[in-house]
Amino acid sequence: QKEVEQNSGPLSVPEGAIASLNCTYSDRGSQSFFWYRQYSGKSPELIMSIYSNGDKEDGRFTAQLNKASQYVSLLIRDSQPSDSATYLCAVNAGGGGNKLTFGTGTQLKVEL
Amino acid sequence: DVKVTQSSRYLVKRTGEKVFLECVQDMDHENMFWYRQDPGLGLRLIYFSYDVKMKEKGDIPEGYSVSREKKERFSLILESASTNQTSMYLCASSFSGGNVREQYFGPGTRLTVT
Repeated sequence: QKEVEQNSGPLSVPEGAIASLNCTYSDRGSQSFFWYRQYSGKSPELIMSIYSNGDKEDGRFTAQLNKASQYVSLLIRDSQPSDSATYLCAVNAGGGGNKLTFGTGTQLKVEL
Repeated sequence: DVKVTQSSRYLVKRTGEKVFLECVQDMDHENMFWYRQDPGLGLRLIYFSYDVKMKEKGDIPEGYSVSREKKERFSLILESASTNQTSMYLCASSFSGGNVREQYFGPGTRLTVT
């Protein structure tokens, strides 16, 4: 069983819509959760971090964490074509110190 | 702004060559990481270091070694490159302590072994 799971997509949304990206994780001891955006051929770029249950908003991005359900999500409001990228979910490895475990990513396509 | 730099964006090497990939960060981060990224497999941790001269194996250390002689610099070494080591190599760094901290990535090195 994969430790961090994401739907690979592609997830297609029209411009201006809300894109919802989901991630589940297996380690109940995980405390830190991150979303990275990766454009094709580029390296991952951190866009959100969340450490406690609930919602965290930053501009058009909202991260949602539910530790009881072992679920973290990223909402992108007013999606733009420039949001088209692969979004990686990362979770700390619990007893593994400072390591992160990454999902394989969800490809988002925002269509005009 | 955190800045992580990698020595090369693209590299082509022959099978059997010794390959050095270098990573430098300017934010005084304690932790540094080397990953490789392959289509369908995601990011896989090769080695990481939480202090100078300290290193720990990640999930796929076979065929690789690392060196960290200075806090800001972390090198990945392919002792004898093989074609199955053709990949995108990503370096990252982070602070220690408290909540597990965000990792910041360098631009990546796309290595082709022929």
